[in-house]
Amino acid sequence: QSALTQPASVSGSPGQSITISCTGTSSDVGVYNSVSWYQQHPGKAPKLMIYDVSNRPSGVSDRFSGSKSGNTASLTISGLQAGDGADYYCSSYTSTTRVFGGGTKLTVL
Amino acid sequence: EVQLVESGGGLVQPGGSLRLSCAASGFTFSTYAMAWVRQAPGKGLEWVSVINNNGVNTYYADSVKGRFTISTDNSKNTLYLQMSSLRAEDTAIYYCAKRYCSSSCLVAFDIWGQGTMVTVSS
Repeated sequence: QSALTQPASVSGSPGQSITISCTGTSSDVGVYNSVSWYQQHPGKAPKLMIYDVSNRPSGVSDRFSGSKSGNTASLTISGLQAGDGADYYCSSYTSTTRVFGGGTKLTVL
Repeated sequence: EVQLVESGGGLVQPGGSLRLSCAASGFTFSTYAMAWVRQAPGKGLEWVSVINNNGVNTYYADSVKGRFTISTDNSKNTLYLQMSSLRAEDTAIYYCAKRYCSSSCLVAFDIWGQGTMVTVSS
């Protein structure tokens, strides 16, 4: 059950847009549309931000968007705000397993 | 208010057992799949186990298969994780979580508990 590959860190200034990638394989991200993104602030439980590649749960800002191309899913945050600084994890489903990415630390400069 | 509250964590010796509980409120518990996710200190998230709303279909990570058992009690709106043959590498915060949709959205869990710490050490 190999983890999905995410960059360890990304950064951006307030108001800018950033994208976090999540690379899997043709057995997970590439074949299933069950990809989710979670935001986690230090000492807090994860929060669901995107599900099924590009859907936002109710209450999540439309500044957060998701997409997928081939074996790579992406989370884009537009109009960066200080409160967006957190760890972000992608997750994918396969018929035999569920995996998370290693996580990406977003720093808002 | 939709809420999950975990309990049962603590310090246990290697080889020991522990049962975690997750009390649900504010939603129809029997309608949704539930999961346990853990996070070792300073590390990332790991799916531990998932149970479908039918209480029958389950998933276990390879790292816990044969040692952990997930179950639900719909009469008590409670999710459980029975952990045995515990190892040092099982040390983590254990979160319970509710799936967002009653069907599909297979790795989308929208309500999480506050977590309960399990420490395996002699």
